Amino acid sequence: AAGVIQSPRHLIKEKRETATLKCYPIPRHDTVYWYQQGPGQDPQFLISFYEKMQSDKGSIPDRFSAQQFSDYHSELNMSSLELGDSALYFCASSSGLTGANVLTFGAGSRLTVL
Amino acid sequence: SQQGEEDPQALSIQEGENATMNCSYKTSINNLQWYRQNSGRGLVHLILIRSNEREKHSGRLRVTLDTSKKSSSLLITASRAADTASYFCATDAWGQAGTALIFGKGTTLSVSS
Repeated sequence: AAGVIQSPRHLIKEKRETATLKCYPIPRHDTVYWYQQGPGQDPQFLISFYEKMQSDKGSIPDRFSAQQFSDYHSELNMSSLELGDSALYFCASSSGLTGANVLTFGAGSRLTVL
Repeated sequence: SQQGEEDPQALSIQEGENATMNCSYKTSINNLQWYRQNSGRGLVHLILIRSNEREKHSGRLRVTLDTSKKSSSLLITASRAADTASYFCATDAWGQAGTALIFGKGTTLSVSS
């Protein structure tokens, strides 16, 4: 079965650079979530989209933005990168039809900021 | 974490033993879910329990929910080395598409053979 696809899997950037992470949800999933997980930490909710509209917003820095496109894939754009942005970034998807937000996670994108 | 706190933070047991992890949360919920994460990998959904349910089973997993105490427990019976992972509870306040699922700090389970 198709899973949630994230790219790139690994990314190395310098401070103050920009980075874009991409997420392709499971086919027919209309909801996408972004999470950030630091080493040994719990996943922190950043932002979510339902049917291409922003649905909920968490601890996403103003330097970050995201959107969901017409084909339901999503991109997380990160600018003015800081050392503290180094983390695993997970995308997850779900179907709004199920009546419960059961998330299927991608394998994650590991961002290292030097 | 905004919501769940898990206890213990780390748990080491032998194969065949049972493992119990606890989770407490702060606000009202629509449902509570448990996820598993192998080191550096994506989280995998294990089980969901709704706010009007008290207990749920799935294979070797048993989840309880006490909404009056705002707490849940995950029991893994007859543990195996392959159960070694981090386990997170996650709360869903509204149960609506796109609303945030808030994760607790997680319990790291180590099962030795």
